[in-house]
Amino acid sequence: AQSVTQPDIHITVSEGASLELRCNYSYGATPYLFWYVQSPGQGLQLLLKYFSGDTLVQGIKGFEAEFKRSQSSFNLRKPSVHWSDAAEYFCAVTNYGGATNKLIFGTGTLLAVQP
Amino acid sequence: NAGVTQTPKFQVLKTGQSMTLQCAQDMNHNSMYWYRQDPGMGLRLIYYSASEGTTDKGEVPNGYNVSRLNKREFSLRLESAAPSQTSVYFCASSWTIAQETQYFGPGTRLLVL
Repeated sequence: AQSVTQPDIHITVSEGASLELRCNYSYGATPYLFWYVQSPGQGLQLLLKYFSGDTLVQGIKGFEAEFKRSQSSFNLRKPSVHWSDAAEYFCAVTNYGGATNKLIFGTGTLLAVQP
Repeated sequence: NAGVTQTPKFQVLKTGQSMTLQCAQDMNHNSMYWYRQDPGMGLRLIYYSASEGTTDKGEVPNGYNVSRLNKREFSLRLESAAPSQTSVYFCASSWTIAQETQYFGPGTRLLVL
């Protein structure tokens, strides 16, 4: 069965520091991978997605993610974190092109940013 | 262009009461979804509607019913609320069931006492 693991429940970084949020997936075929961000009290907003092609994808707000098939990973990165990046981040996978587009979400990583 | 809207934003129910959560989208999307979000569990799919006139169960459908009223609207009903249904509920939509990007509403926070 498809699954997504986000090993880090909570991460704290200093403003201006680099960030990497980990995501590992379990899926038999080629996965379609997403990162969503949820600010406090808000819905989810798509940061970026990977379907095929270049394994390094760029998203909004200066985020990027790299798909590594050999490691079954899709880690999210940002070179310099801003205080406004404090939020919860969700990795998700789906079987695009299958019978249904059911997003499977990880449990989320809560990011705190220290001044 | 409001995207996906949900009402109400917050609701308190007593065990056994019923209520309907409303969702509407103005993006002309064909597919719509209901998720629940619980601490430490991420989002789990309750029901989805691939297109107007169709609905299917997701991962956690027990205790819920849905209605795809028209292309724009997709409601979620709790017939007899239980404390285990205390959660944040999100509605989402996408162009088609096979399309990649789902757009989410702001959520409804439900407390069942």
